[in-house]
Amino acid sequence: DIVMTQSPDPLSVSLGERATVYCRSSQSLLHSSNNKTYLAWYQHKSGQPPKLLVYWASIRESGVPDRFTGSGSGTDFTLTISSLQTEDVAVYYCHQYYSRPFTFGPGTKVDIK
Amino acid sequence: EVQLVESGGGLVKPGGSLRLSCTASGFNIERYNMKWVRQAPGKGLEWVSSIRTFRDSTYYADSVQGRFTISRDNSKNSLFLQMNSLRAEDTAVYYCARESVNIYCIADCFSDSWGLGTLVTVSS
Repeated sequence: DIVMTQSPDPLSVSLGERATVYCRSSQSLLHSSNNKTYLAWYQHKSGQPPKLLVYWASIRESGVPDRFTGSGSGTDFTLTISSLQTEDVAVYYCHQYYSRPFTFGPGTKVDIK
Repeated sequence: EVQLVESGGGLVKPGGSLRLSCTASGFNIERYNMKWVRQAPGKGLEWVSSIRTFRDSTYYADSVQGRFTISRDNSKNSLFLQMNSLRAEDTAVYYCARESVNIYCIADCFSDSWGLGTLVTVSS
């Protein structure tokens, strides 16, 4: 099974400041057949369904504010919120869909300092 | 608008059974791979099961293999999860999710839409 780890947890950031969440997979998520990296990021607020933010490690989902940026390759990934807003308070999960069992990171709770 | 609504959760005793439903609107589930993902209290997200459009192939996490069965009824545009021999550790909010049909996905893909979830509590 591919193990996903995240850091830090929790993450407290001042309004308007940058928030960076790190994710690492136990094996590369780059698929050689199509050169795509099978890594997604989700935002999860209490009482709401998880919301897709980023897929293929760096493609922002339609409608997601451009302050959210995914980056990284191979086994090391980053989700950056360039200027934290109050509505960004949530738990953020990285997720690998490279192989079954599909796995998620343990989550990073982001709140306002 | 794409919408997924889960139902069927509740309180059940250890060893009991429950059947979850997920009714979709705004799209035809027969054209999509679908998943169940759960979140135990205070824990993270855990993939439970998937069903593909290709031959309705099904897949399960080791923790539920042999106890849970995923299925779909395209005429009702609904996804199901039959849960038998339930254990305390199955207590969780169960979400159904739709997989994207992104052209770069070879077999499996990320989920682009999720329901609000239904709570299953296994306790005596």
